[in-house]
Amino acid sequence: ETGVTQSPTHLIKTRGQQVTLRCSSQSGHNTVSWYQQALGQGPQFIFQYYREEENGRGNFPPRFSGLQFPNYSSELNVNALELDDSALYLCASSLRDRDSYEQYFGPGTRLTVT
Amino acid sequence: ILNVEQSPQSLHVQEGDSTNFTCSFPSSNFYALHWYRWETAKSPEALFVMTLNGDEKKKGRISATLNTKEGYSYLYIKGSQPEDSATYLCAFSQAGTALIFGKGTTLSVSS
Repeated sequence: ETGVTQSPTHLIKTRGQQVTLRCSSQSGHNTVSWYQQALGQGPQFIFQYYREEENGRGNFPPRFSGLQFPNYSSELNVNALELDDSALYLCASSLRDRDSYEQYFGPGTRLTVT
Repeated sequence: ILNVEQSPQSLHVQEGDSTNFTCSFPSSNFYALHWYRWETAKSPEALFVMTLNGDEKKKGRISATLNTKEGYSYLYIKGSQPEDSATYLCAFSQAGTALIFGKGTTLSVSS
């Protein structure tokens, strides 16, 4: 069973640029959630995708957008980068059903905005 | 605004000590409480998912309890080992979508 993978591991961008982060979900999972962990904070929910549709969004501006593909992999896009976007971005995959909601995390992408 | 509080923020124990951490969460519209173990440069590892009031889970030397009526969960580690050194995160969900995380408890175990 392949776990959740994310790419790239880390990257550096300049304020105002755009960035795309990628996530491959665990085999058999149909749901992907994205989280942002700023320094000294717990991970914060950005949004979730279920079967290619957005299924819940946290308190993040529209310049944070996402996609989920038919193979259930996902992208997180951030436009007009700001210095405060510097953080670890985690994705988590899960199999959505009525009885459990365990989310399995990837190792994250470290984004630095200068 | 939903808030999850974890305490202590960090602690340092000696090998063989037993320890416990606290997670406080909103008691309304409870769906599930998750505990994760997170080592530096690795993926957060799921320890437990608890859904029922009074639930108790155990995995080796680590166990957890849940009180949904008063909104708290305890994580216990018996006989701490250096390999237990990590950040322990708890997360709460209401409708099974977003996980709302605390800031974590960072445990350091000295041999």
